[in-house]
Amino acid sequence: EVQLVESGGGLVQPGGSLRLSCAASGFTFSDHYMDWVRQAPGKGLEWVGRTRNKAKSYTTEYAASVKGRFTISRDDSKNSLYLQMNSLKTEDTAVYYCARVCACTGYKYFDYWGQGTLVTVSS
Amino acid sequence: DIQMTQSPSTLSASVGDRVTITCRASQSISSWLAWFQQKPGKAPKLLISKASSLESGVPLRFSGSGSGTEFTLTISSLQPEDFATYYCQQYLIYPLTFGGGTKVEIK
Repeated sequence: EVQLVESGGGLVQPGGSLRLSCAASGFTFSDHYMDWVRQAPGKGLEWVGRTRNKAKSYTTEYAASVKGRFTISRDDSKNSLYLQMNSLKTEDTAVYYCARVCACTGYKYFDYWGQGTLVTVSS
Repeated sequence: DIQMTQSPSTLSASVGDRVTITCRASQSISSWLAWFQQKPGKAPKLLISKASSLESGVPLRFSGSGSGTEFTLTISSLQPEDFATYYCQQYLIYPLTFGGGTKVEIK
């Protein structure tokens, strides 16, 4: 069974930093691209960014709203995905989900999501 | 960026009703569209990929259609467990973008 478990959320002051983790199990983590998606309270879904797999040199993509402040990384030996968030703003307040990207041909979609971790940026 | 526009934003329906949700893309995305269902306090769940490909385990009352810029999600006979918010998402071009969501409420 595919499982994705996020952790590391909490309350942080504007300008602060936080590192989220996502522990994966039930599948070959190293084969898959992995993404972060967030959802502000009462709002819709917003894609944050992607890390590709080793075969694609672990390259990354980011949304413009987080580029230069957030960094996605992964440790395939630990089946873990990370999101380092720096220079946090109040508008970064959201539930952050990690999402597995299908190991399918063609363009790739999210096929499994974790339950999310809440990040609150407030003074 | 590709803008995804869903309509309606809220839909009131009864058990047994046929429900259709529309999603429009600001430019052609071929069939690179997914539909997700989200219940309160839960993670989104994939229903349909590539515009019309039903995911394993998803009830057959769900179907998707369309290509290019206009897509629909149809629930043929609404069940109590289907009351939720539905999102479309394009995965052709970065940044990946979602529609604003359609909340299906009990009438």
